[in-house]
Amino acid sequence: AQSVTQLGSHVSVSEGALVLLRCNYSSSVPPYLFWYVQYPNQGLQLLLKYTTGATLVKGINGFEAEFKKSETSFHLTKPSAHMSDAAEYFCAVKAAGNKLTFGGGTRVLVKP
Amino acid sequence: DAGVTQSPTHLIKTRGQQVTLRCSPKSGHDTVSWYQQALGQGPQFIFQYYEEEERQRGNFPDRFSGHQFPNYSSELNVNALLLGDSALYLCASSPLSGQGPYEQYFGPGTRLTVT
Repeated sequence: AQSVTQLGSHVSVSEGALVLLRCNYSSSVPPYLFWYVQYPNQGLQLLLKYTTGATLVKGINGFEAEFKKSETSFHLTKPSAHMSDAAEYFCAVKAAGNKLTFGGGTRVLVKP
Repeated sequence: DAGVTQSPTHLIKTRGQQVTLRCSPKSGHDTVSWYQQALGQGPQFIFQYYEEEERQRGNFPDRFSGHQFPNYSSELNVNALLLGDSALYLCASSPLSGQGPYEQYFGPGTRLTVT
């Protein structure tokens, strides 16, 4: 079975500050890992994904994530937060089978 | 290039009724997955359709059923609605039976409210 844990259901950052969202997963097979963003009353938009190869993955809107197998982590970062980054972020794992298993989400609030 | 579309956008139903939600996948995609997202939670996998058959199912009762048409579009049906079925229902599509590293593209969702 696969699972995802996102530490912190809410994160508050100041505009221009570092954004760090934590994600830990469990999987019995090498996983594919994803970060999605959801703006209010919208569906999910893919930020980035890890499949194989380079463990530091760059995505859209200045986000990046690093796959650390030894720590079973896939934390999402952005060096400088922007007001438009206020949204909910979901980490997801795809291991055995075709389904995505999501974490509970982290809501990001950006303060001016 | 049209993305994933879903209809209707919003829906209000009464307990015990039945509902049908519709999804058209992104052009070139042949696999459709459905997810339920309750308020304040992450999406939960309901099932996935490929080649007009249900290929994988999550932990949802038989009240939840689906269908995929030859043009790859899909329907989600929920019978005997319960208050707990109130949620955002998301459709996602992916290519090539959803295998491998292909990401799933999500539609805007259908907001179902059961009263």
